[in-house]
This record gives sequence, C-alpha cells and structure tokens, in this order.
Amino acid sequence: QVQLQESGPGLVKPSETLSLTCTVSGGSISSYYWSWIRQPAGKRLEWIGRIYTSGSTNYNPSLNSRVTMSLNTSTNQFSLKLTSVTAADTAVYYCAGEEGYNEPFDYWGQGTLVTVSS
Amino acid sequence: EIVLTQSPGTLSLSPGEKGTLSCRASQSVSNIYLAWYQQRPGQAPRLLIYDTSRRATGIPDRFSGSGSGTHFTLTITRLEPEDFAMYFCQLYSNSLTFGQGTKVEI
Repeated sequence: QVQLQESGPGLVKPSETLSLTCTVSGGSISSYYWSWIRQPAGKRLEWIGRIYTSGSTNYNPSLNSRVTMSLNTSTNQFSLKLTSVTAADTAVYYCAGEEGYNEPFDYWGQGTLVTVSS
Repeated sequence: EIVLTQSPGTLSLSPGEKGTLSCRASQSVSNIYLAWYQQRPGQAPRLLIYDTSRRATGIPDRFSGSGSGTHFTLTITRLEPEDFAMYFCQLYSNSLTFGQGTKVEI
C-alpha cells in the first residue's frame, strides 16, 4: 500500500520560499503522477500542481509563476517550492498521487500545516 | 474555470439513516471525471467514488454515486458511526477543482 508523508518547515516568513518534501513508501515513485494540494482554514482544497516521473509538470495557472516541483527517483521523494509567500499561502499542504493523468487521487499524505508569518 | 458547489454545508443525521449529498458544477462536465472523497478529522482524504459512480477499492456498498451534466450525488445508506465526516467532490479533468465540502454530523 502506497503511503505518503509530507515534511518541511511549519513556519515561513513573508516573501520567503516555502519548501516541502513528500516521501513515498510502499511503492515506487515511478509510474504515478504526483500532486500538491492545499487547504486554507475554512476554504476548499486547491490543486497546486502535478509532476510525473519523467519530470514533466502541470501547475495551477493561478500559482504558476511561483511554483516549482521536482522529483527524485533515487530517494522516492518529490518536492514543492512556492516563492514570495504571503499570509494567503497559510494552509494545510497535502501531497497526493494519481495512477494516471486525469485520474482521481488514490493516495494522500496526512497533510502539514504551513503558516506564513513574521 | 468550473466551480463545484456542494450542498448542504452540514447534514445532521443519525446512525442508520440515509444521507444524500449534492455537488453541482457551474457548467456541464463529463461523468468520467467526477470523484468523491471522505475526510475524517486529522486524517488524510480517502477516495470513495470515481467516474461518478464507481466505488474505489475497499469502499463498502452503502456508498453510491450518481449524476450527470451539472448535478452529481453521493448517497450513503444506513449511516455507520465512522461515516460521520467531511465529504467533498472533485473534478479531475483538465480543470482540476474541488467542492467546498459537506459535513455529515450526528
């Protein structure tokens, strides 16, 4: 059974870069599509972007200019970088996996709260 | 961008009752790209239904999905105590969006 675990700082200062890593266990990081999704308190889930094992990426147009995703097959991890953060980026961040493009999210991490504050 | 609107915001029911949750899309969508998830407090979301009506692996048959066009429904027959949770719908076509969720409470 594939399991995902997010890790990274829980507090980021405004204007700095948010960096998170998702570790995949119980399966290979290859052959799946991997996404980052976030949920601000009291708001709906927002898809941030997806990366495939080939390194190809799709980003939410609303965040595209600030998002970079990467993947490391040797460590079974993929990562998110979100630049120039503001308080509006405070949210629970989830990593999730799809078995194919335009498929539902079969696998989810537990989520990690990231607060943007000075 | 397609917007998904779920109703009601909160559904108050008792164990053994039937729950009907609604998800409406701002424009017509393909049936094969609509999913439902369950999220219990402090836990990761869990895929329940995909392609509008197909149950994910291990999901009990008291959960069923239906709908087409702009209106989709998740039905939970005979609510069990562990079913009291948050539910949200998701469109997973090129427009990847989520509904705002329905809380099913006792």
